[in-house]
Amino acid sequence: AAGVIQSPRHLIKEKRETATLKCYPIPRHDTVYWYQQGPGQDPQFLISFYEKMQSDKGSIPDRFSAQQFSDYHSELNMSSLELGDSALYFCASSLGVNLPGNEQFFGPGTRLTVL
Amino acid sequence: AQSVTQPDIHITVSEGASLELRCNYSYGATPYLFWYVQSPGQGLQLLLKYFSGDTLVQGIKGFEAEFKRSQSSFNLRKPSVHWSDAAEYFCAVDRASNFGNEKLTFGTGTRLTIIP
Repeated sequence: AAGVIQSPRHLIKEKRETATLKCYPIPRHDTVYWYQQGPGQDPQFLISFYEKMQSDKGSIPDRFSAQQFSDYHSELNMSSLELGDSALYFCASSLGVNLPGNEQFFGPGTRLTVL
Repeated sequence: AQSVTQPDIHITVSEGASLELRCNYSYGATPYLFWYVQSPGQGLQLLLKYFSGDTLVQGIKGFEAEFKRSQSSFNLRKPSVHWSDAAEYFCAVDRASNFGNEKLTFGTGTRLTIIP
């Protein structure tokens, strides 16, 4: 079965550079979530999109932005990178049809290292 | 606001022994509860979930969890662990809204080590 695809899997950037992370949800899934997991930390919710519109926002820095496109894939854009942005970034997708507790399927994550 | 507490940061058990990982939640209404497992460098895999109904939930890989409203707990159990169960385990809570899915709030995780 198709899973959530994230690219790239690994990314190394310098401070103050820009990074773009991509997420391709499971086919027919219309909801995408982004989470950030720092070293030894639990995943923290960043932002989510339902039917191409932002549905919820968590602790996402102003330097970050995201969007969901017409094909439901999503991109997380990160500017002015800081050392503290080094983390594993997960994307998850679900079928958001007002069913409570729908399972979120997680991708393998993108490991971002900021030097 | 919803929150999840996993009191045990690290647990070590012998292969073949039973396992219980604790999870306590704080949420005003009926929560939707999940257990995820994360192997090193890997993504999160759903083990099981509780929405309503039977308070004992069966999951994959031989895991089960019991929802106890009176104790605000959703502990994960396995009668006999295998070396391949060594991983990080996260309890998570979700709340529904009229809009659909909400974000997951994770606990801080419990690292499980299996000794031969």
